[in-house]
Amino acid sequence: QQQVKQSPQSLIVQKGGISIINCAYENTAFDYFPWYQQFPGKGPALLIAIRPDVSEKKEGRFTISFNKSAKQFSLHIMDSQPGDSATYFCAAEKETSGSRLTFGEGTQLTVNP
Amino acid sequence: DADVTQTPRNRITKTGKRIMLECSQTKGHDRMYWYRQDPGLGLRLIYYSFDVKDINKGEISDGYSVSRQAQAKFSLSLESAIPNQTALYFCASGGAGNNEQFFGPGTRLTVL
Repeated sequence: QQQVKQSPQSLIVQKGGISIINCAYENTAFDYFPWYQQFPGKGPALLIAIRPDVSEKKEGRFTISFNKSAKQFSLHIMDSQPGDSATYFCAAEKETSGSRLTFGEGTQLTVNP
Repeated sequence: DADVTQTPRNRITKTGKRIMLECSQTKGHDRMYWYRQDPGLGLRLIYYSFDVKDINKGEISDGYSVSRQAQAKFSLSLESAIPNQTALYFCASGGAGNNEQFFGPGTRLTVL
């Protein structure tokens, strides 16, 4: 049973466009929601994260929007660049569990020049 | 040098063979993790360890075992490899009180 569902599985965006990746979770005990970015041949790396006490967090061109009542959160990449082409994973964690992340299925993003 | 290293980076083995994947980290982290990545399934937790004497099963531990030889070293073993264990395996480490996990470069394992 996938506790964190991610969509779409793949996404193609033109340079300068907005990339949007969505995630939905089931466990209301989750209280930390990171996004990881993975380039080919590399391990995932933390990109940005949010806690449910805020509805939005922005870091540069990357924004997480969080909807606690809907149990959904999304990653928005503004002004998408070819260098953003990677696989993106959302994840969720109950912090008292000691950093046990549950990952979504992943989204392969391609940004065309 | 990389903070989290994994050896080997690629391995091809046969059904029934025992295989060990090794992970080392230089970040001084107490917590270490093993994940497997399969297309369309994301990353799934196999085992995790919060210190040398603490080993815990993740969501898909069947067919795997681990050893935490030291704070910096965490190895994953497949006692008798089977083809559906063909996957990309990642080790990660993290500090207590810090949610961020730092991943190694991965080991691509193929079981024929």
